[in-house]
Amino acid sequence: DGGITQSPKYLFRKEGQNVTLSCEQNLNHDAMYWYRQDPGQGLRLIYYSQIVNDFQKGDIAEGYSVSREKKESFPLTVTSAQKNPTAFYLCASRIGDRTIIGYTFGSGTRLTVV
Amino acid sequence: SQELEQSPQSLIVQEGKNLTINCTSSKTLYGLYWYKQKYGEGLIFLMMLQKGGEEKSHEKITAKLDEKKQQSSLHITASQPSHAGIYLCGCSSGDAGNMLTFGGGTRLMVKP
Repeated sequence: DGGITQSPKYLFRKEGQNVTLSCEQNLNHDAMYWYRQDPGQGLRLIYYSQIVNDFQKGDIAEGYSVSREKKESFPLTVTSAQKNPTAFYLCASRIGDRTIIGYTFGSGTRLTVV
Repeated sequence: SQELEQSPQSLIVQEGKNLTINCTSSKTLYGLYWYKQKYGEGLIFLMMLQKGGEEKSHEKITAKLDEKKQQSSLHITASQPSHAGIYLCGCSSGDAGNMLTFGGGTRLMVKP
């Protein structure tokens, strides 16, 4: 079955460490997105990528970095510059055709700073 | 970026009761999405509305988009414990990036 796989489901980070969250899709979708969700709040866009080797900052990109070397993969690195990284992170993808509007979401990664 | 306001923020209803969640935008909505989320899980797509006045239903859930395309409502009839979760409305930016902007969410609890 096609879908988006996020790993790990739970991740613990020590202060000052960088960690990378994985997002893989086998839907042949062109666009991929990373969102952050804090308790009791909606989702906020961190980064997005419309094609391979290209990505754009979202509303809260500071302290995060991404890469898009393959169409299927869009990993998110939470750097030590992100002062409050504890949150739930969701990855999404969408087919590139603007006339076809449908997003698929992964099951999320919960990151906790210890 | 476009902002979406959801109300109420949280809702507790008795099983069997009807309820409505609202989503309001200050700008015309290009595409309005409704998602459901269980705690700690991903988003489950419910419905998408594009045209002013459009209404869609799935089982006991009905979503409407007003004629001006600035407000949407999600109505659940005869609520069940399985309806509990967080309901999120999202709108598409309509540009090449087609990013989704989300409201703050409504946390629904259904008491048996």
